[in-house]
Amino acid sequence: EVQLVESGGGLVQPGGSLRLSCAASGFTFSDYDMDWVRQFPGKGLEWVGRTRNRVGSYSTMYAASVEGRFTVSRDDSEKSVYLQMNSLKTEDTAVYYCTRDNWGSLDVWGQGTMVTVSS
Amino acid sequence: DVVMTQSPLSLPVTLGQPASISCRSSQSLVYSNGNTYLNWFQQRPGQSPRRLIYVVSNRDSGVPDRFSGSGSGTDFTLQISRVEAEDVGVYYCMQGSHWPYTFGQGTKLEIK
Repeated sequence: EVQLVESGGGLVQPGGSLRLSCAASGFTFSDYDMDWVRQFPGKGLEWVGRTRNRVGSYSTMYAASVEGRFTVSRDDSEKSVYLQMNSLKTEDTAVYYCTRDNWGSLDVWGQGTMVTVSS
Repeated sequence: DVVMTQSPLSLPVTLGQPASISCRSSQSLVYSNGNTYLNWFQQRPGQSPRRLIYVVSNRDSGVPDRFSGSGSGTDFTLQISRVEAEDVGVYYCMQGSHWPYTFGQGTKLEIK
């Protein structure tokens, strides 16, 4: 079964840091680009960032709203992708989803992990 | 960024009746290879989004054939031929032709 399982969410103060993890199973992880998407409390969805696969030189891209604060990385040997979030703001409060990027589409989603930024 | 605009935002439907959701993009979604990367997702209450349709009209495995996607360029439609109780939730369109990927605001389908 193709599956993505996120972990690492929680409550953090503004200005703090958090690292999310996503473990993949059921498919050849190293073949795929992987993305993070977040869903705000009002339910809107925002693409956050992406790591390409080895063919894409593991390049990364970010939404303007998180550029310079968030970093996406991956470990193909662990079949995992990560989202390092620094300098967190209250507006980063959201459910964060790990997704598989498949040619202009996000065909597999994890269950999500909640991040709350609040003092 | 490409703006995706859905309508309606709320869609009350009687069981067994058809439903239609519109999605318009602020620029053409035709990619350089000729494909149009327009996707539809369903999010049932308490669940993660699930892809239903990709490249405008291709249904994912396991998606009932009462769901269909159509459109071209900047105008797209998701149609449900006969709404069932399990279709309740929020539907999102998403474009994957331009960076960054962007989503519509979502359409909440409920049973009348």
